[in-house]
Amino acid sequence: DAKTTQPPSMDCAEGRAANLPCNHSTISGNEYVYWYRQIHSQGPQYIIHGLKNNETNEMASLIITEDRKSSTLILPHATLRDTAVYYCIVRGLYNTDKLIFGTGTRLQVFP
Amino acid sequence: DADVTQTPRNRITKTGKRIMLECSQTKGHDRMYWYRQDPGLGLRLIYYSFDVKDINKGEISDGYSVSRQAQAKFSLSLESAIPNQTALYFCATRPTSGQGAGVDTQYFGPGTRLTVL
Repeated sequence: DAKTTQPPSMDCAEGRAANLPCNHSTISGNEYVYWYRQIHSQGPQYIIHGLKNNETNEMASLIITEDRKSSTLILPHATLRDTAVYYCIVRGLYNTDKLIFGTGTRLQVFP
Repeated sequence: DADVTQTPRNRITKTGKRIMLECSQTKGHDRMYWYRQDPGLGLRLIYYSFDVKDINKGEISDGYSVSRQAQAKFSLSLESAIPNQTALYFCATRPTSGQGAGVDTQYFGPGTRLTVL
């Protein structure tokens, strides 16, 4: 599975969009980009995933660049409850049972 | 998520003791996983199970063993606990194809905080 690089921390004002970047320059054609988050030592929570196209669900949007070497998770209206560590994970289509968590980005949403 | 429960939630034990952490799920998923998390680090996979008869080692299985007693139950054992096994342990489940939506996602329990003195 490709490795990912994320900034260690970010801040965001409540109500504003939080844009969390992830670099995955060695991603291969059949690897998906997944995002999970972990709120203060709770179990990680799935957010969204994508392959090539941009994706949106009730929690967030995922923007994947055309060359697929990077992506951005967007929380459109961040709230204090979005304060968490966000993990970007690249996972192969046929290696679906090994989520490799890096150190993630610690997002702090402030009032 | 109450669908995946872990017991105990906290445990303090001494070096050399045998410890069992239990995980139960009501999601009906075939696949179950055990991870550990050390402070400031991501999760690392210890063991995973595709079904009751299929157990697989993860990246850090040394010093651990598991038992899949039923589809809903997956236990992690430390036969002789040592201090560097002090960590936060998470159980997770995942559906296989045909078990419903979200086949690609894993659902995590609340975690067990284990301290080995």
